[in-house]
Amino acid sequence: DAKTTQPTSMDCAEGRAANLPCNHSTISGNEYVYWYRQIHSQGPQYIIHGLKNNETNEMASLIITEDRKSSTLILPHATLRDTAVYYCIDYNDYKLSFGAGTTVTVRA
Amino acid sequence: ETGVTQTPRHLVMGMTNKKSLKCEQHLGHNAMYWYKQSAKKPLELMFVYNFKEQTENNSVPSRFSPECPNSSHLFLHLHTLQPEDSALYLCASSHLERSYEQYFGPGTRLTVT
Repeated sequence: DAKTTQPTSMDCAEGRAANLPCNHSTISGNEYVYWYRQIHSQGPQYIIHGLKNNETNEMASLIITEDRKSSTLILPHATLRDTAVYYCIDYNDYKLSFGAGTTVTVRA
Repeated sequence: ETGVTQTPRHLVMGMTNKKSLKCEQHLGHNAMYWYKQSAKKPLELMFVYNFKEQTENNSVPSRFSPECPNSSHLFLHLHTLQPEDSALYLCASSHLERSYEQYFGPGTRLTVT
């Protein structure tokens, strides 16, 4: 199983890039890395996932280190609406395992 | 709007009451999930349904009883709950083959008095 660890919280200035780290040192070769976020009073929202190549979609970019022991989620131009808890997810056997996540506060 | 709706959004019930939570998805998915989110604790998976068949019961007490009459609807029947069951109950759905990409409803905030 891939256990993930993330910082408890971080602040980011509006309009700047937000870089959210995640350590997953026990990840195995065929396990993907998944990211979700949860805005206050809403359910979690899928963001992106990747295996070993960098990935980008309309929401974010995901950079995975070559040894796959850590990754960084990048929100390229953070807005106030990006304030949320961001989860680096352990997924196994159809089950998402949510940890405490990183509380990201975007400040004007 | 995620395509997953939950009713009611808020519910207050006594320990002797019986109530049901409803979830409906309009995404054509074939897997549905119930999660519990308590204050200060991570989301906990409760139940998983694939093609209307329950495939996961994550050691949930029997006072929580799920029902999945079809692939678009999911219920959580509640009876004789305890105050510690107060939490946000979230429903999610996905395509079975993409179960890592789940779409969540807004949740039902349950308070047990």
